[in-house]
Amino acid sequence: DAKTTQPPSMDCAEGRAANLPCNHSTISGNEYVYWYRQIHSQGPQYIIHGLKNNETNEMASLIITEDRKSSTLILPHATLRDTAVYYCIVRSVNMRFGAGTRLTVKP
Amino acid sequence: DGGITQSPKYLFRKEGQNVTLSCEQNLNHDAMYWYRQDPGQGLRLIYYSQIVNDFQKGDIAEGYSVSREKKESFPLTVTSAQKNPTAFYLCASSIDADQGPYEQYFGPGTRLTVT
Repeated sequence: DAKTTQPPSMDCAEGRAANLPCNHSTISGNEYVYWYRQIHSQGPQYIIHGLKNNETNEMASLIITEDRKSSTLILPHATLRDTAVYYCIVRSVNMRFGAGTRLTVKP
Repeated sequence: DGGITQSPKYLFRKEGQNVTLSCEQNLNHDAMYWYRQDPGQGLRLIYYSQIVNDFQKGDIAEGYSVSREKKESFPLTVTSAQKNPTAFYLCASSIDADQGPYEQYFGPGTRLTVT
């Protein structure tokens, strides 16, 4: 399984875009990149996934570099309820959740 | 209302007792998973099942057992052999367990405390 590297914490002002980076330099050609988030004491929530192309849904956008070695999750207008731990995962059967990035959205 | 249910939310047991955590899904998913989360840590896979009557060990299966007699249900038993059972336990399901683009849906979790 490809490993991922994320910053341990980030802050973002309410209403601004939150850009969460993830490095996955050992990703193989058929592995998807997934993003989940976990609000304190709850189960993780699926956000978005992608293979090669950029993806957008109602929650976020996912930008994957052309060489697929890194990606960025974008929350376009962060709210206080987006405060959570965000996990970037390269998928195989065993989804390995690292420590993630703790995003704090501040008023 | 489709989803994954785990009960109870909080569970307390004495050391040396086996305890079974329930997980039920009505999403018609083939694959189900159990994870453990310790404070400040990510999730670690305990067991997963791709189909009824079949399951595989994850990264930390020692001291745990599972069964998959029905598609909807994947109970986890924490045995007395598990050295540090106190943790947050999360159940998840997905359409399939292969490498395809199948996201996992998580239940609300059960917080187990063993004293």
